Amino acid sequence: AQKITQTQPGMFVQEKEAVTLDCTYDTSDPSYGLFWYKQPSSGEMIFLIYQGSYDQQNATEGRYSLNFQKARKSANLVISASQLGDSAMYFCAMREGNTGGFKTIFGAGTRLFVKA
Amino acid sequence: DTGVSQDPRHKITKRGQNVTFRCDPISEHNRLYWYRQTLGQGPEFLTYFQNEAQLEKSRLLSDRFSAERPKGSFSTLEIQRTEQGDSAMYLCASSQQSQETQYFGPGTRLLVL
Repeated sequence: AQKITQTQPGMFVQEKEAVTLDCTYDTSDPSYGLFWYKQPSSGEMIFLIYQGSYDQQNATEGRYSLNFQKARKSANLVISASQLGDSAMYFCAMREGNTGGFKTIFGAGTRLFVKA
Repeated sequence: DTGVSQDPRHKITKRGQNVTFRCDPISEHNRLYWYRQTLGQGPEFLTYFQNEAQLEKSRLLSDRFSAERPKGSFSTLEIQRTEQGDSAMYLCASSQQSQETQYFGPGTRLLVL
């Protein structure tokens, strides 16, 4: 069974510093996709970054990068130069199977607090 | 492009009543997903449509829940005989067949009294 684990219920970071949010996953499917979403207090889920299991390079999107360690089954999110607006819940998610919109599993989330 | 929309945004109902939620996906997206999110948890997958076909359903989707996407555009999620345990945020997302990313709507927050 597929599983996503986020072991950090809450994280604090100083404004302008970098922070890493941990995510480990478990799957027996060789083809899968990993996602990170941000959910501010307003409730809407905002897509941040995607990594495919066959991608050779780590994904990057602006200040977000995904540290993909396939052998360790980890997909940590790195946020560089944290901003106050980054304070939110962050969810790691995994979809098994080829591109085709299969079931997506979310972790329990990490709440990030950015301090001024 | 107006994004994914959901209606209503909030719903309060009494236990035993039926409720129906609507989701309008991004217009060119042929894939549509429903999730349920309870307080302090990540979203839980409920069901998935490709065009009008419902291709996957979670075991969380009991026989009181039914979802439709009759013309492959908007979708409805109905909960019959609501229970207090149904209180949650119901999220809809859509995606294109050629892309991985699911785009989420603002959700419908349900409170069952």
